[in-house]
Amino acid sequence: AQSVAQPEDQVNVAEGNPLTVKCTYSVSGNPYLFWYVQYPNRGLQFLLKYITGDNLVKGSYGFEAEFNKSQTSFHLKKPSALVSDSALYFCAVRPRGDMRFGAGTRLTVKP
Amino acid sequence: EAGVAQSPRYKIIEKRQSVAFWCNPISGHATLYWYQQILGQGPKLLIQFQNNGVVDDSQLPKDRFSAERLKGVDSTLKIQPAKLEDSAVYLCASSLATSGSRFADTQYFGPGTRLTVL
Repeated sequence: AQSVAQPEDQVNVAEGNPLTVKCTYSVSGNPYLFWYVQYPNRGLQFLLKYITGDNLVKGSYGFEAEFNKSQTSFHLKKPSALVSDSALYFCAVRPRGDMRFGAGTRLTVKP
Repeated sequence: EAGVAQSPRYKIIEKRQSVAFWCNPISGHATLYWYQQILGQGPKLLIQFQNNGVVDDSQLPKDRFSAERLKGVDSTLKIQPAKLEDSAVYLCASSLATSGSRFADTQYFGPGTRLTVL
């Protein structure tokens, strides 16, 4: 079965500290991987995606993600968290069919 | 560039009633998706259109849900009759669908319609 997992429901970090939101996947073949962010009462906003090439992908708002094929992971990272980064983050994988989303990780950045 | 538009933003109905949601995708986007997002879960695809044709509706509960995309632009999603478990946010998304890499296309989401079934 093709799936994506976000092992942490909640991540708390202090403002200015680095943040990591974890994502692992299970698909056959080479997947396309995405990160989206959702603010309250709003739709999902695209952050970044991995298609092929360099394993480190840079996206919007200073976020980046590292594709690790051997560990089947695609963790989202940011060197210095902002309070405004507090939101719900979704990892998604798209093999050759519909996009599969993780359950989401709620990131809280405290001042 | 205008984003994906959806209406209404909120809807409260009683079970067994019917409801319809509307979506206007980003101009020029050939592919349109409807997702259901239940509280505490990630979005789940209900149906995907390519222009005005259905590409994937394998997860659409066809006994009560229907969707159409006449003229390949706007789309409506209907539920009739609604059940309590249909309470969710219904998200519409669109993508440009560049040939040869449609699975890599970025999907852009609308703000969603929050449906509450009482």
